[in-house]
Amino acid sequence: IAGITQAPTSQILAAGRRMTLRCTQDMRHNAMYWYRQDLGLGLRLIHYSNTAGTTGKGEVPDGYSVSRANTDDFPLTLASAVPSQTSVYFCASSDSGTGNEQFFGPGTRLTVL
Amino acid sequence: GQSLEQPSEVTAVEGAIVQINCTYQTSGFYGLSWYQQHDGGAPTFLSYNGLDGLEETGRFSSFLSRSDSYGYLLLQELQMKDSASYFCAVKQGGKLIFGQGTELSVKP
Repeated sequence: IAGITQAPTSQILAAGRRMTLRCTQDMRHNAMYWYRQDLGLGLRLIHYSNTAGTTGKGEVPDGYSVSRANTDDFPLTLASAVPSQTSVYFCASSDSGTGNEQFFGPGTRLTVL
Repeated sequence: GQSLEQPSEVTAVEGAIVQINCTYQTSGFYGLSWYQQHDGGAPTFLSYNGLDGLEETGRFSSFLSRSDSYGYLLLQELQMKDSASYFCAVKQGGKLIFGQGTELSVKP
């Protein structure tokens, strides 16, 4: 079934640890995105990639890094996690040809203690 | 800067019509989208307005007035399953900037 998968589903992490959230899509979409969702703050864009090999910063990029080595994968790395990074993280993709609809993964619930 | 304003909560009864408004202030604008999210799950796309006017998709319609920086989502014949959070989002280039969401509660 075509779509986006994210791993892990949830994670509890000690502050200071490094963590990579995985995101894979099989729709051959050019563009991919990472959002965080906190209660009362909606979805905020962390980083995005318009095509493989390129990335860009969103609204809240500090403390996060991404890479886009190929079309399908777009991992998000927290180099040294802090409690304020406790959130639900959603990965999304879109066909940059139309770009009007983003498809979201199921999310990763991350708790940093 | 950029901001989107939408009501935090709306309550309506089954079978009724409800309108969720969204006003925006952004430095660049390419269109207004609406997404639905159930219980913290994956947001799903509902509609997109790139030009002024009304777009209709079944029970859901979305409206945009670019001169007023305003749009709304209209849900007709409300069903219990429509209870969810609804987000407006401004398209800026290839990126989306989301509002904080409106939680819709549909009562019997």
